[in-house]
This record gives sequence, C-alpha cells and structure tokens, in this order.
Amino acid sequence: DSGVTQTPKHLITATGQRVTLRCSPRSGDLSVYWYQQSLDQGLQFLIQYYNGEERAKGNILERFSAQQFPDLHSELNLSSLELGDSALYFCASSPGTSGSDEQFFGPGTRLTVL
Amino acid sequence: TQLLEQSPQFLSIQEGENLTVYCNSSSVFSSLQWYRQEPGEGPVLLVTVVTGGEVKKLKRLTFQFGDARKDSSLHITAAQPGDTGLYLCAGEGDNDMRFGAGTRLTVKP
Repeated sequence: DSGVTQTPKHLITATGQRVTLRCSPRSGDLSVYWYQQSLDQGLQFLIQYYNGEERAKGNILERFSAQQFPDLHSELNLSSLELGDSALYFCASSPGTSGSDEQFFGPGTRLTVL
Repeated sequence: TQLLEQSPQFLSIQEGENLTVYCNSSSVFSSLQWYRQEPGEGPVLLVTVVTGGEVKKLKRLTFQFGDARKDSSLHITAAQPGDTGLYLCAGEGDNDMRFGAGTRLTVKP
C-alpha cells in the first residue's frame, strides 16, 4: 500500500460524457502527479501540482483539466470523452518538487469509454 | 522532447537466466529512475541514479547510469518468477518526468 488513494477504481461511461477522477496523496506529500497509461503509449505524464499550484504540464489535452485543493487532494476532470481516452489513469505523490524524489503511485482508475 | 526508449519491449526467459534491459535517450537527464509495475497496480520505485557512471545494486538487480547521463541499464542475475513485471525507466526532464514505454519481463519457472 503506497498510501495514495484513487477513486473510483473502475469507471465506464459513454463518448461525449464528462468524468472526475479523485486522488488523495500520501500524508505529508505536497506534489501530485497525474499519468495516463494505455497499451500502445506507455505511461504518459499529464500534469503536476505542488501545494495547490500547477507545477508542470505534460501531454494533457485541452479537454482535460485538473486541480489540487487546499487539503491537497486532487481531481482530474475529463470531458467530451472519446473512445481513445480509455486507459488507466494513475495519480502519484511525492514530498517535494524534485524529479529525483520517489513518486508513490496509487492503484489507478481504469476508465472505459464506450 | 526528451524521449526515453526502452528495449527490448518484451522479454521471456527461464528461471535462473540473466538479463539486461536498456533505457536510452538522446537527451541528458539530471536523474533517472527505474520502476517496476505489476498487473493491476501502480509502478513502484526500485532505484534513482543521479551521477554519470553510477552503479547501484539492489540484491540481484544492478542499475547503471551512463557516463553522459543519457542512458541506463538494468541487469538481473538469476531471474526468478517473482521478477515478472513491467520495468519502466523515467527521466527528470526540464519540467516533468518522462517515462519510457517499458520492458515487459516474464520469468518462467
């Protein structure tokens, strides 16, 4: 158990819909990272937040957005869903902002878009 | 774009064999990490290497960071079925962490 929790574990929805994925970081960690993992593209970094502020942005689509709240939990919002958005979405947390910090990954949310 | 290429993509070996997997890039990374991911779970950090030429050992696993900090290798000695999983390398880029696509290792008993 990494100490990072993600909900829901599974999500099935239809194209065009909007969903929200939730992540609670390890106690004391200030950074939250979101990743998308699909079979053909590996683990893709989406976005990082540190103590409520956006810190780094990766390959995140404009249809996707995220935020980190004062209690440090984070939400990833996916809208106008397409079939290709079906993937595993992981959240990870770390104490600070250094890239050499260990990232602790949650169990992931499996999103299926039908 | 700092891309990390991992090879081989798939590797299936018998218990007791040795193996090496590679992580290569044309870019320099300030640090590089190796993670192992099992089915249905998130990746778990194995090691972080920071200094060019650095070698770290974790039981039967030996990690090396290239002198130029552009590549890394993971060598497993006497592989066991419990080593089965997806091995991912990740490099610290300018503003983010870049992950390779991984090497999927299967160790058969």
